Amino acid sequence: GAVVSQHPSRVICKSGTSVKIECRSLDFQATTMFWYRQFPKQSLMLMATSNEGSKATYEQGVEKDKFLINHASLTLSTLTVTSAHPEDSSFYICSVLGEGYEQYFGPGTRLTVT
Amino acid sequence: LAKTTQPISMDSYEGQEVNITCSHNNIATNDYITWYQQFPSQGPRFIIQGYKTKVTNEVASLFIPADRKSSTLSLPRVSLSDTAVYYCLVGEVGGYSTLTFGKGTMLLVSP
Repeated sequence: GAVVSQHPSRVICKSGTSVKIECRSLDFQATTMFWYRQFPKQSLMLMATSNEGSKATYEQGVEKDKFLINHASLTLSTLTVTSAHPEDSSFYICSVLGEGYEQYFGPGTRLTVT
Repeated sequence: LAKTTQPISMDSYEGQEVNITCSHNNIATNDYITWYQQFPSQGPRFIIQGYKTKVTNEVASLFIPADRKSSTLSLPRVSLSDTAVYYCLVGEVGGYSTLTFGKGTMLLVSP
């Protein structure tokens, strides 16, 4: 399957600042990537679908102006959390859609907003 | 969307075979069944995917009865490192429901 990396693995930022999370597909050209958020002891929640070369599709309740997604190439999608607040603290995970339509996930990014 | 129901948790011991069943009574004709494993603070890992009968890979087996209203993930001879949350997802290939995670099953393997 596809190998997916994320950077950084952990980030701490102050309230009001922005933080960018990178998701890279290392060995697979990913037309479609997904961004999830996972709060402690909860399941994954889909935030948005990222399509290479076009605008992301956001799930209901996810603010597109707060969670900026850019998918400029077949190997890189970025999620920028703008004006972060403590309630944005979470585990953010990206995934790549494989050829069989299974997903391959990145290792996740732990965001803590102080 | 095909809704899935899994046990919240299961306990097992090292060396035993573990079977986790997922109910999906309203599975559609074009739906596939996909299982993922997630360790704490890690992204999920694809385990296996199937449509009907039995699928086996180096990690697990997936049993799907003829009516496809349920499926069973079978983990042979589990070890402590198999302690994780296991998610069953059902949906059309590329469809939205394949992106929707339920609560999953927390498997605890003890010595």
